[in-house]
Amino acid sequence: KQEVTQIPAALSVPEGENLVLNCSFTDSAIYNLQWFRQDPGKGLTSLLLIQSSQREQTSGRLNASLDKSSGRSTLYIAASQPGDSATYLCAAPGGGADGLTFGKGTHLIIQP
Amino acid sequence: NAGVTQTPKFQVLKTGQSMTLQCAQDMNHEYMSWYRQDPGMGLRLIHYSVGAGITDQGEVPNGYNVSRSTTEDFPLRLLSAAPSQTSVYFCASSSRSNQPQHFGDGTRLSIL
Repeated sequence: KQEVTQIPAALSVPEGENLVLNCSFTDSAIYNLQWFRQDPGKGLTSLLLIQSSQREQTSGRLNASLDKSSGRSTLYIAASQPGDSATYLCAAPGGGADGLTFGKGTHLIIQP
Repeated sequence: NAGVTQTPKFQVLKTGQSMTLQCAQDMNHEYMSWYRQDPGMGLRLIHYSVGAGITDQGEVPNGYNVSRSTTEDFPLRLLSAAPSQTSVYFCASSSRSNQPQHFGDGTRLSIL
């Protein structure tokens, strides 16, 4: 059974800092890994999806890496802004044939 | 550009009542799934479908039924609501298993 863990559970940093969110998974036989953002009371927005053949994926100030051998992924946020405040979720296949297993998320606060 | 639409957004039920949560997508996606999100538990997969006429159970299927008669719709039925089913329910879809999943805004359900 796939298990996904996210560290830290919460993070508060001043605006402008670069930061790294961590995700680990137990079953490395995954074909992709996805990072989401969730704002309070809202649904999930897909940020980045990394295929198993890739090591990195970038979108604007976001960069996600995937290391299947170690069972780890990181989400790097450059030059953080108050608008980046949200909960960030990591998800890997393993909840069913095409379902996802989610981590519990990192609650991020960017202080103005 | 509707994406994944969930109705209703909010619902309060009494124990023992039944109801159907609706999910529709206009992206012609084959894969659809239902998750519930509970504090401290993260998102957990309830049921999923890989195409019209095909459904399967996820991690927490008890007390829920699904059907997939069309590509667009994937309703979730609560047969006899229980307080333990109080949660936020999310529907998701994707074109293929290795493509990003798109989420609806959720249905917030309270069972009294």
